[in-house]
Amino acid sequence: GAVVSQHPSRVICKSGTSVKIECRSLDFQATTMFWYRQFPKQSLMLMATSNEGSKATYEQGVEKDKFLINHASLTLSTLTVTSAHPEDSSFYICSASKQGAVNYGYTFGSGTRLTVV
Amino acid sequence: AQTVTQSQPEMSVQEAETVTLSCTYDTSENNYYLFWYKQPPSRQMILVIRQEAYKQQNATENRFSVNFQKAAKSFSLKISDSQLGDTAMYFCAFANAGNMLTFGGGTRLMVKP
Repeated sequence: GAVVSQHPSRVICKSGTSVKIECRSLDFQATTMFWYRQFPKQSLMLMATSNEGSKATYEQGVEKDKFLINHASLTLSTLTVTSAHPEDSSFYICSASKQGAVNYGYTFGSGTRLTVV
Repeated sequence: AQTVTQSQPEMSVQEAETVTLSCTYDTSENNYYLFWYKQPPSRQMILVIRQEAYKQQNATENRFSVNFQKAAKSFSLKISDSQLGDTAMYFCAFANAGNMLTFGGGTRLMVKP
């Protein structure tokens, strides 16, 4: 089946530094990548949607200059949290889909737990 | 905009028993897809079952089945013969032609031995 590899699984960084999270689709071409944020015991909140080769579309309230998303190829998308602060600590999950995702479903990465100290 | 509501924050069931998780949604669209995802303690999202809105027949996957009531905009998940490994968060989700998934708030299910 379709597999999405997300790295790192856990990261601790100092306040003010930047952290990059990678998601790779291993056996299919991910036309679209979705990035979610999940706080403890809460649901997944969509942060942004990116299509290969174009700029990401951010959800209302998500700072695009803080959460930089790059989807330069059909197999790789990255989320960079710039100038991280403790309130950015959260669980981040990516989800990749082929064109016409609803017909094929969505494949999720295993998530990244970010802790900013 | 679509909304998905799961009215049961937590539920528990005895092993081998049956449990039903509720989900309602709101949309003005006619063509869409509904999903149930499981998130165990590992936090990996796992697809449990999906339903196309144009299909009247309820989807089933082994011990998992749904009761899809399109007019009522209801999409409940029934888990039969509950197993300890079913303990997890369960999320109902909606997707339209734009492919964006909207999740409900989740139901934490505990299967007790």
